[in-house]
Amino acid sequence: AQSVTQLDSHVSVSEGTPVLLRCNYSSSYSPSLFWYVQHPNKGLQLLLKYTSAATLVKGINGFEAEFKKSETSFHLTKPSAHMSDAAEYFCVVNPANTDKLIFGTGTRLQVFP
Amino acid sequence: DAGVTQSPTHLIKTRGQQVTLRCSPKSGHDTVSWYQQALGQGPQFIFQYYEEEERQRGNFPDRFSGHQFPNYSSELNVNALLLGDSALYLCASSLNWIAGVGEKLFFGSGTQLSVL
Repeated sequence: AQSVTQLDSHVSVSEGTPVLLRCNYSSSYSPSLFWYVQHPNKGLQLLLKYTSAATLVKGINGFEAEFKKSETSFHLTKPSAHMSDAAEYFCVVNPANTDKLIFGTGTRLQVFP
Repeated sequence: DAGVTQSPTHLIKTRGQQVTLRCSPKSGHDTVSWYQQALGQGPQFIFQYYEEEERQRGNFPDRFSGHQFPNYSSELNVNALLLGDSALYLCASSLNWIAGVGEKLFFGSGTQLSVL
């Protein structure tokens, strides 16, 4: 069965410093992977999606993620954090031949001034 | 163009009661999925409706049922409420003919259900 594991439940950074949110996946074949963000009282928003075309995926708001098959990882990064980045981030896998998403447990990102 | 709208935003029920949550999909979308997000957890897939029929279902008991109307809006019904049903219930809509999912899902802000 496909699943994702988010390695940190909370991450705190200072504004202007890099962000790293870690995610490992479990899959017997090439998965479809995503990162979603959830701001308080707002719907989930797609940040980026992994396709087999490129291992480095660029998303919205300066975020990007790198698919590493050898490490079964799909970590989310941003060079410089902004206060508005404070939110809950979910690593997500879409099992093949289904329309459902399997979410990780989430990482809460705090950004301090 | 309105996105996915859900009603009500908050709801308080007692154990054993029944509840109905409503979802209007984004304009032009014909497929609706429901997710349950318990406190501190990621959303879990409940089921998906397309052409007024349940197409896929997650690992939820039969107490959870749904319906899709001809205008593509959807309802989620939960019977015999348990304390553990307290959660944020999210609706997501998509367009069926688009291959793949995830990037084509649009989520509503959810209904916060509290069971006392």
